[in-house]
Amino acid sequence: EIVMTQSPATLSVSPGERTTLSCRASQSVSSSLAWYQQKPGQAPRLLIYGASTRATGVPARFSGSGSGTEFTLTISSLQSEDFAVYYCQQYNNWPQYSFGQGTKLEIK
Amino acid sequence: QVQLVQSGAEVKKPGASVKVSCKASGYTFTNYYMHWVRQAPGQGLEWMGIINPTSGSITYAQKFQGRVTMTRDTSTSTVYMEVSSPRSEDTAVYFCATGGPKSYMDVWGKGTTVTVSS
Repeated sequence: EIVMTQSPATLSVSPGERTTLSCRASQSVSSSLAWYQQKPGQAPRLLIYGASTRATGVPARFSGSGSGTEFTLTISSLQSEDFAVYYCQQYNNWPQYSFGQGTKLEIK
Repeated sequence: QVQLVQSGAEVKKPGASVKVSCKASGYTFTNYYMHWVRQAPGQGLEWMGIINPTSGSITYAQKFQGRVTMTRDTSTSTVYMEVSSPRSEDTAVYFCATGGPKSYMDVWGKGTTVTVSS
């Protein structure tokens, strides 16, 4: 099983600031890495796939990078609607998938 | 548009099986795999397994092997997830999500809340 580890667990950031979330895989997942955003009471929403490709309709302020075992999600200028929980997920070890434990992005 | 409509909330006593459905529309049902993901209260996302709607073949996460059964009905474009002998620890929101082979989950259902309590 590939274990995904996200850091930090919680991030306090002010609106308008730039922030970076991290995700590490216990073994290489190549570029088979997705990021999801989840708001309270809602289903997750796909943001990034292939480590760096934005999903349809995702604002350009979201960007993903990395390959192998180290990945980052960067939000260039935080908007109020961006405060949520973010999960990374690997799909390289298909058909066994795994999620990180999540990073909660909260307003400072 | 692509849509996954899940069944309504369930309240079950420990030991009474629970079955959740997920009806797909807006795309060719057999072209995409279906995942089940659960989220316990205040916790993160947990991948449960994946079903191939064409062949019916299933891969379960090891944790759920033997306790969870996934099935599909191609005539109604519906997949099902059943938890046998649920325990209080199975109280969670259960999501279905579709995706391609060796690929991410791009469309999600709204989730079904399952509460297991005596």
